[in-house]
Amino acid sequence: EAGVTQFPSHSVIEKGQTVTLRCDPISGHDNLYWYRRVMGKEIKFLLHFVKESKQDESGMPNNRFLAERTGGTYSTLKVQPAELEDSGVYFCASSHRYSGNYNEQFFGPGTRLTVL
Amino acid sequence: LAKTTQPISMDSYEGQEVNITCSHNNIATNDYITWYQQFPSQGPRFIIQGYKTKVTNEVASLFIPADRKSSTLSLPRVSLSDTAVYYCLVGDMRNNQGGKLIFGQGTELSVKP
Repeated sequence: EAGVTQFPSHSVIEKGQTVTLRCDPISGHDNLYWYRRVMGKEIKFLLHFVKESKQDESGMPNNRFLAERTGGTYSTLKVQPAELEDSGVYFCASSHRYSGNYNEQFFGPGTRLTVL
Repeated sequence: LAKTTQPISMDSYEGQEVNITCSHNNIATNDYITWYQQFPSQGPRFIIQGYKTKVTNEVASLFIPADRKSSTLSLPRVSLSDTAVYYCLVGDMRNNQGGKLIFGQGTELSVKP
């Protein structure tokens, strides 16, 4: 079974530009999450989709971040315009509603974003 | 959600047993305890989960005392490939539709030859 995939693996952009990150969850997983780790900090939750609906977006830092999950499959996270403090690693995770373990989430390898 | 506290780092040698203890003094009755492992340049990976007493799987054991205010992840006979960051998390079992994971700083385990 394929795991969670993320694209691109690395992205280097200049301040003010736009970047779109993509996440493909494990097939059949209704829950999709975005997290990020900025320099020296802990991994922080951004938002949670259940199928195509936003269940919890309490972690989104500001309106420069827009997440979508059209059709309830893959998701995109757009940062527009990017700022220096957005640099970090963005992780996507997915989970199945009926996992044998409580809320076991499967993470992708992350996208490393560098804003210059 | 209960806050967790772990040592920032630990060193070990190949073949040794490693025990990482996590403190969660404010754990609630409905909370379960989960440990994740993260290798460099990868996302976190679920290792083990428990509510009380002892849980064992092919990767590790998890010991939880009766008061549940702490838990200990035990890795038997570590190898160099066990070098990673280990996170202890506490979550609410009633949230069966999933929910955000709250990561602390984790414990960076370094295994030496």
